[in-house]
Order: sequence, then structure tokens, then C-alpha cells
Amino acid sequence: AQSVTQPDIHITVSEGASLELRCNYSYGATPYLFWYVQSPGQGLQLLLKYFSGDTLVQGIKGFEAEFKRSQSSFNLRKPSVHWSDAAEYFCAVGPPGYNQGGKLIFGQGTELSVKP
Amino acid sequence: KAGVTQTPRYLIKTRGQQVTLSCSPISGHRSVSWYQQTPGQGLQFLFEYFSETQRNKGNFPGRFSGRQFSNSRSEMNVSTLELGDSALYLCASSLGPSRVGETQYFGPGTRLLVL
Repeated sequence: AQSVTQPDIHITVSEGASLELRCNYSYGATPYLFWYVQSPGQGLQLLLKYFSGDTLVQGIKGFEAEFKRSQSSFNLRKPSVHWSDAAEYFCAVGPPGYNQGGKLIFGQGTELSVKP
Repeated sequence: KAGVTQTPRYLIKTRGQQVTLSCSPISGHRSVSWYQQTPGQGLQFLFEYFSETQRNKGNFPGRFSGRQFSNSRSEMNVSTLELGDSALYLCASSLGPSRVGETQYFGPGTRLLVL
């Protein structure tokens, strides 16, 4: 079945440490790929996206993500985490046909806690 | 440029009632999508409108409906509310169909509590 998987439900890192959040998808063709962040009680903010081209994409707030076709992955990284990065992170996929109907498929989310 | 706005932000209803939620997209955006977010099911796609036409629909019962106006503003309606409809309802807007790819920008959501 077509799906998006975020294997880690909750991650805790120390402030200043590096971060990697995992995302895997199962679609035949390369989908459109997104990472969003949600702070408590808020909507979703777009961090970055991948449509095609360079497989390493830069986003806002110092985040980057790397698309690896062979692993069907789109992992999110940040070299040094700040306390304000504590939030829930969602990987989303625009499956084949996305541009004909705007349907995003979301992973279950990874909640990030940051220790002082 | 103003972001996506949703009204109301919070709503309390009782079972059996109906509710209408509103979404105003970013200026110039013509596509509006709706999502339901619950702790158990996560984020699920409801439907998407472009140029006043529903282009895509998720797997929700017919109690969930929507529409889009000529100014791209959208409303969604839930009739005969059930306890399980309690959720955060998120609206997202995008420019519309593109060969390059659409990027959806989300509003703050409407939190609906059904008692």
C-alpha cells in the first residue's frame, strides 16, 4: 500500500546536538516531498520541499533534507538544535497525480523534545 | 502578504448539530485543501477545491462537504456531528495546478469540540 512512514514517534536531543528525523515512503514513482513543523496549538509551517533536481535541499530555520531514491527516504537534518525547535515534525508526500488534486499524504509525525 | 486565515479558531458543538468552517487563502492562491487532524488518525485529507470545483476527495462520509467561492474562499460543512468529529481542521492554500509542483501553505486551524 502507498504510505509515508516516520519510524520515530518521539525523539529527545540536547540543545546544540545534531538532529536527524527519518521519513520513508512507498510509491512507485518519485513523489513530491515535504517537511512541515507544527508547534502546539498551531497550524503547519513548511520547512522545505523536494520536487526534482539537487537531492539535498535547504529549508528555513537551518534545516536541510536529503532525498535518497534508492532508500525511498527523505530525512530531515539540522546540525545544531535550538530549544525553540521543540515541536512536532511531519513528513508529507504528494503522490502521483498530486498536481491534479492537491492531496498530501502525511506521516504520523515525530515529536521533538530538546533538553537544556 | 497575509497568510491563510481560518474562522472561527475554536468551536464547541453538540452531537447532531451541524457546523460550517471558513478558510480564506493567500491572495492569488486559487486552490484550497482541507485536512482533519486527530491524535488517533493523524492528518487526513478531506477534499480539495480549485476554481470552485472539487478536484479530489478523501475517504470521509457524505456528512463532510465543502465549497469554494469565486474569490477562492472556501467553506467546509459537517452535518449531524458525531463525537469522533472532534478534531483540528486545517485549511491549506496553493496557487493551483503546476507542472513544477504545488506547495500548500497551512492556516492555524479550527479546533472543533463535539460534546
